[in-house]
This record gives sequence, C-alpha cells and structure tokens, in this order.
Amino acid sequence: DAGITQSPRHKVTETGTPVTLRCHQTENHRYMYWYRQDPGHGLRLIHYSYGVKDTDKGEVSDGYSVSRSKTEDFLLTLESATSSQTSVYFCAIRQGDYGYTFGSGTRLTVV
Amino acid sequence: GENVEQHPSTLSVQEGDSAVIKCTYSDSASNYFPWYKQELGKRPQLIIDIRSNVGEKKDQRIAVTLNKTAKHFSLHITETQPEDSAVYFCAASIRPGANNLFFGTGTRLTVIP
Repeated sequence: DAGITQSPRHKVTETGTPVTLRCHQTENHRYMYWYRQDPGHGLRLIHYSYGVKDTDKGEVSDGYSVSRSKTEDFLLTLESATSSQTSVYFCAIRQGDYGYTFGSGTRLTVV
Repeated sequence: GENVEQHPSTLSVQEGDSAVIKCTYSDSASNYFPWYKQELGKRPQLIIDIRSNVGEKKDQRIAVTLNKTAKHFSLHITETQPEDSAVYFCAASIRPGANNLFFGTGTRLTVIP
C-alpha cells in the first residue's frame, strides 16, 4: 500500500530504555506522520514532518522525538520508555492534498 | 486544536439493515472529513471522504453527509454485510495547507448474520 513500511512490527522493551521506530516510504511523499492508537482515544498525532529536517509536534508529543534526515525515512524515538507509552504506533503519509495512507503499525509493549 | 466527537462507540445491526455513525467537530475552519475503516489487527483504511463544498457523497452502499452549519457529519452504510464489521473512525482537518487530521474515538460496528 503506497510503499509504506514500519519496523519493527512488534517490540517489547523495558521501562527506561530508548526505543526507535522506523517508517519508510518509497514514493517521495513530502508529509509523514506518527500516530498512536489506544482504546477509547482513537488515533492521536504525536509528531509530523513536512520535509527533510522539518518536523513539528502533535497533540501528544511529550516523551517522543522524531527525525527525518531523508525523504523516505521518518523515525520516532522514545527517549526513555514508560508503561504509558505501551500502544500501537501508526505511521502515515499524505498523498496529494487530502488522503492519508497508514502503515501496518508497530505494537510496542513497555514492561 | 480541533475536537472531534464520535457516536456511538459500539453499534450492532442485523445483516441487511442500515448503520449510521455520527461525528461533530469544533473548528468551523475544518473543510475535509474522511472516514476510515479498521479491521481487527489491520491498518486504518480510507473508505470515503467529503469536502466542505458538498453536502453529500455516495459510493455504492456507503454515503457521507455534512452539515456545516451544525458542524456535524455522518456515515451511512446501507444493506450491511458481515464484512462491514470493523471499527470506523471519522476525522476532520483543514485542507490544503494544514497538516493534521484529528480523529474521533471510533465506532465498533458489528453486523449480525
């Protein structure tokens, strides 16, 4: 689907450790997003990027950082993972002015 | 930012009946309203969207209506089938230019055979 892949698909990590999730796209889209999905909260935006080295915060950005050094890769880092960051993380790209396409998701468990 | 509320949180219908999911939004500048379907363990996928210059859009058994004055929009599924069972999310955004989609909390639709 639109050449977007996330890695890893599943990860279990310990509290306090750093974690990096990767989103890779193959179609040169400018806009990329990281969302988290939790029961009762829907999808909430963490960070987004509008170009190489151009990023901005979303509504739930505390505890997360991002980087985009190449058009195709958008990395999400949890500097020191906490149990509240246990979630399913989705990357998305925006195609044209309107449509979002999501990656397959990363299920992260912080123990 | 935008606040999108979605109701109901769960919905069960008999196969062949219609299903309606409703959303309200807070920012009168929002002009793009997509709907996503998420099957269990899968990614959300866009099923239909509407822009603020139209009041209704249909695609086979799916339709979306928009009332800009009241700031609400709805998803209508007719002749429901078991494969329609999924979680549906509404969203709102300002397009073009702004970047963020704000999502509702989702509706779990179950179609009973």
